[in-house]
Amino acid sequence: GNSVTQMEGPVTLSEEAFLTINCTYTATGYPSLFWYVQYPGEGLQLLLKATKADDKGSNKGFEATYRKETTSFHLEKGSVQVSDSAVYFCALSDLKAAGNKLTFGGGTRVLVKP
Amino acid sequence: SAVISQKPSRDICQRGTSLTIQCQVDSQVTMMFWYRQQPGQSLTLIATANQGSEATYESGFVIDKFPISRPNLTFSTLTVSNMSPEDSSIYLCSVGGPAHGGYTFGSGTRLTVV
Repeated sequence: GNSVTQMEGPVTLSEEAFLTINCTYTATGYPSLFWYVQYPGEGLQLLLKATKADDKGSNKGFEATYRKETTSFHLEKGSVQVSDSAVYFCALSDLKAAGNKLTFGGGTRVLVKP
Repeated sequence: SAVISQKPSRDICQRGTSLTIQCQVDSQVTMMFWYRQQPGQSLTLIATANQGSEATYESGFVIDKFPISRPNLTFSTLTVSNMSPEDSSIYLCSVGGPAHGGYTFGSGTRLTVV
């Protein structure tokens, strides 16, 4: 079946530091990949997505590249801010193998200190 | 993308009682998804609800405990029945899919069972 594995948190950083959150996946089909962010006390928001190999999703300074050869979709940001403190979820959707539903990784809590 | 209104945003309930959560979407959608997020955990899919048919439940979730209604293409409810403290979680509805450019989530219902 499908699965998503992401690095465990919490990740604690200083402002303006470089952030990487690793995400790898297992899928029987050819999935679409997503990063969602959950700010404290809020619901999930789509941060970025990629639908095919070598696609790069980007938003709000965050980037992730769909790497089929390594089955990865690592999230990066060059200079984090305190407002980036949140929980980040990597997810995949495999329409052929699993219908329309999303499979989530365990989430990574990021805390950015001033 | 679709906009989802979910309510209630939070509730504190007595064990043994039931709570019905509502999601209203601003456009017609074929499939709606219900997720549970236990404290400090990732999201787990409870069921997929199609209009005009019975909901499809994931392993570990049953209709008697989590009955779902889908009376039309813009609305769905999830009931958490005969609640126990273990049901304390955030419950979220979602719509969308890869063909729609991604998934949109409601703001969540934070349920505490005492």
